[in-house]
Amino acid sequence: NAGVTQTPKFQVLKTGQSMTLQCAQDMNHNSMYWYRQDPGMGLRLIYYSASEGTTDKGEVPNGYNVSRLNKREFSLRLESAAPSQTSVYFCASSPGPSIWETQYFGPGTRLLVL
Amino acid sequence: AQSVTQLGSHVSVSEGALVLLRCNYSSSVPPYLFWYVQYPNQGLQLLLKYTTGATLVKGINGFEAEFKKSETSFHLTKPSAHMSDAAEYFCAVSVTNGNKLVFGAGTILRVKS
Repeated sequence: NAGVTQTPKFQVLKTGQSMTLQCAQDMNHNSMYWYRQDPGMGLRLIYYSASEGTTDKGEVPNGYNVSRLNKREFSLRLESAAPSQTSVYFCASSPGPSIWETQYFGPGTRLLVL
Repeated sequence: AQSVTQLGSHVSVSEGALVLLRCNYSSSVPPYLFWYVQYPNQGLQLLLKYTTGATLVKGINGFEAEFKKSETSFHLTKPSAHMSDAAEYFCAVSVTNGNKLVFGAGTILRVKS
């Protein structure tokens, strides 16, 4: 099993450009998440999907949109990138939405917005 | 609202020495607590978690943590550090409104030979 995979690994954008970060999991998990990691701030939740067909905002959703394409895939879209969105983005999944579930993380996407 | 404070953004220990990484949380209800580790250029992976029951929790790679409700703490320890333990460690608390983790800022552990 590959676990959680993310593409691309690294991306450079200019301010105002758009892009979609892709995430897929092969563990038959119901819940998926998008986080951003910034130095000294830990990980902050952007959006999550408790189950296929549902999405909800997290702590820092502004400037992002998500799509739960199917049970395996959960994409994150930046419509008009800003330098403040320079960060490392992690996708994660868990078996279900219960608060004691372990989350499994992908390797991350490093995004630089100029 | 739940929050997590990790004391010390950087901790340095000698190989073979005790590792102690501190985590305090605030929560109005009994929390679920987690420690995750991030090796360079990788995603996070679970070290251990406390849900209910025994307050001393053992995890992978010889790490353990003790849930102390009276001190609102969940410190991570390892009796003898190994060079391979060098990584960033995150404490997290799970909030009751959906399966959402609130992470601390992280502690970078350096192990000196």
